[in-house]
Amino acid sequence: KQEVTQIPAALSVPEGENLVLNCSFTDSAIYNLQWFRQDPGKGLTSLLLIQSSQREQTSGRLNASLDNSSGRSTLYIAASQPGDSATYLCAVASNTGKLIFGQGTTLQVKP
Amino acid sequence: EAGVTQFPSHSVIEKGQTVTLRCDPISGHDNLYWYRRVMGKEIKFLLHFVKESKQDESGMPNNRFLAERTGGTYSTLKVQPAELEDSGVYFCASSQDRIGELFFGEGSRLTVL
Repeated sequence: KQEVTQIPAALSVPEGENLVLNCSFTDSAIYNLQWFRQDPGKGLTSLLLIQSSQREQTSGRLNASLDNSSGRSTLYIAASQPGDSATYLCAVASNTGKLIFGQGTTLQVKP
Repeated sequence: EAGVTQFPSHSVIEKGQTVTLRCDPISGHDNLYWYRRVMGKEIKFLLHFVKESKQDESGMPNNRFLAERTGGTYSTLKVQPAELEDSGVYFCASSQDRIGELFFGEGSRLTVL
């Protein structure tokens, strides 16, 4: 049974810091891995999608890596800003499209 | 282009009552998913439609939950009768491809008293 774990559960950093969010999963038979952002009271916004055959994806200040063999992914945020404050969710997709989510990392970036 | 829309945004009902949540996916998206987040837990899959057909309903908690997608457009999720443990946020998502980027709605928060 696939399980997804995100560490840390919460993170508070000063503005400008680079930071790394971690995601691990127990079954390497995934189709893709997605990182989402959720603002309070809002829906999920897709940030990056990495296919199982890919190593990383980049979008602006965000970079996500995937190591399927070890069941790990990281989301790197460069030069963090207060507007980055949100909950970040990692989810792995099976070949049916069903997503298994981690519990999320709540990030606070202080001005 | 309109995103995934869900309503109501918040519903407060008493135990034993019935609630129906609605999701309008992005136009042209054949794949529609329902997910749920209960307090303190991770978001969990409920079911997946391809057009009007249920592809996977393995996440539906019990037979008090009924999902429909008549005509392959919008979908409804009915909870009858509602129990306290049904409280949470119900998310709907849609995608064009079965395994592609998912677009989520803002969720329907259900509170059962």
